[in-house]
Amino acid sequence: KAGVTQTPRYLIKTRGQQVTLSCSPISGHRSVSWYQQTPGQGLQFLFEYFSETQRNKGNFPGRFSGRQFSNSRSEMNVSTLELGDSALYLCASSFPGREQYFGPGTRLTVT
Amino acid sequence: TQLLEQSPQFLSIQEGENLTVYCNSSSVFSSLQWYRQEPGEGPVLLVTVVTGGEVKKLKRLTFQFGDARKDSSLHITAAQPGDTGLYLCAGHMDSNYQLIWGAGTKLIIKP
Repeated sequence: KAGVTQTPRYLIKTRGQQVTLSCSPISGHRSVSWYQQTPGQGLQFLFEYFSETQRNKGNFPGRFSGRQFSNSRSEMNVSTLELGDSALYLCASSFPGREQYFGPGTRLTVT
Repeated sequence: TQLLEQSPQFLSIQEGENLTVYCNSSSVFSSLQWYRQEPGEGPVLLVTVVTGGEVKKLKRLTFQFGDARKDSSLHITAAQPGDTGLYLCAGHMDSNYQLIWGAGTKLIIKP
């Protein structure tokens, strides 16, 4: 069974731009969660989607948004990028209430 | 205040030594998971424990869930450089699907 895939793996953007990251979950998983991880830090929860609905949201500004499609694929968008948004963005898929399986992440650098 | 407190935050030891890292809470969890993350990659699930007092072994790694389901430990015997990484615990609280994360223990095994 294929794992979680994330695209792109690496991205360089300029302050003020926007970015869209994509995540394809493990087949059969309908729950997708997004996390931000800055160097040396743990995981900061962004949001979780289940059946195209946002079920939980972390403490991030409205510049961070996401959505989920009917095939469970998910995207997250960051608008008006700031230098502090440079991070590894991780996507994880799961069955509801079960352990999460992570993709390799997207490394975003904002210059 | 984190719901799951991991200790120590950082540990650097010589190859061949034994070590234990902890994941503690004042709340009850229906399950706890341990993940290992290498730099620039997504966390990889090591184990899930669900029953109070449960002990699981994965080669040289021993995981224990506390009797009251409020804490967990990870013991590594004869640590090897390949054990180096960020160890994260995460859990589901009863009646809550959101996965709660600890801040992680950064482990370095020196050859």
